[in-house]
Amino acid sequence: GAVVSQHPSWVICKSGTSVKIECRSLDFQATTMFWYRQFPKQSLMLMATSNEGSKATYEQGVEKDKFLINHASLTLSTLTVTSAHPEDSSFYICSAASTRGGVIYEQYFGPGTRLTVT
Amino acid sequence: GENVEQHPSTLSVQEGDSAVIKCTYSDSASNYFPWYKQELGKRPQLIIDIRSNVGEKKDQRIAVTLNKTAKHFSLHITETQPEDSAVYFCAASITGNQFYFGTGTSLTVIP
Repeated sequence: GAVVSQHPSWVICKSGTSVKIECRSLDFQATTMFWYRQFPKQSLMLMATSNEGSKATYEQGVEKDKFLINHASLTLSTLTVTSAHPEDSSFYICSAASTRGGVIYEQYFGPGTRLTVT
Repeated sequence: GENVEQHPSTLSVQEGDSAVIKCTYSDSASNYFPWYKQELGKRPQLIIDIRSNVGEKKDQRIAVTLNKTAKHFSLHITETQPEDSAVYFCAASITGNQFYFGTGTSLTVIP
């Protein structure tokens, strides 16, 4: 399968600061990337769909001004958690979607980023 | 949006026995159903998937069945081994759209 990386793998930040997480598709061009949030022992919650060159589509209940997503190229999407609070502490996972004829098929996950806000 | 339910939340089986995990979905437009295995601290890995134009797919010890009328699909693992122990997630997607995940099943295979 395809290789997707995330950076950083773990970040600790103080409350009120902003944190940027990068998601890179290393061996294929991903027109669409997804961002998920996963709490301990829970499922993946889709936060937003990121399309290259256009604005991200956010799921209901996800604050777009707090979770800024930029998909500047076919291999890079970034998630910026602005004015982080302790309740934002979570595991954030991105995925890059492969497409066939413009239709999304499989998705390949990054290793995740653990965010701890103190 | 799509609502995916998954049962059971935990499952313990003896090594060599079969394990079955079931998921239901709400949006009849969903047409792609992948299953992921996530080991502790690792990323989810796709293990098998099925599209709405087929009713069953098998890959060695793993099989998935889909009932579009009832809107449910199931993962079957036969001859379970300790290394099958992990959390399994089902998902439903409208190809070209988002992926919605089930709540996960923690499978333990007892040697």
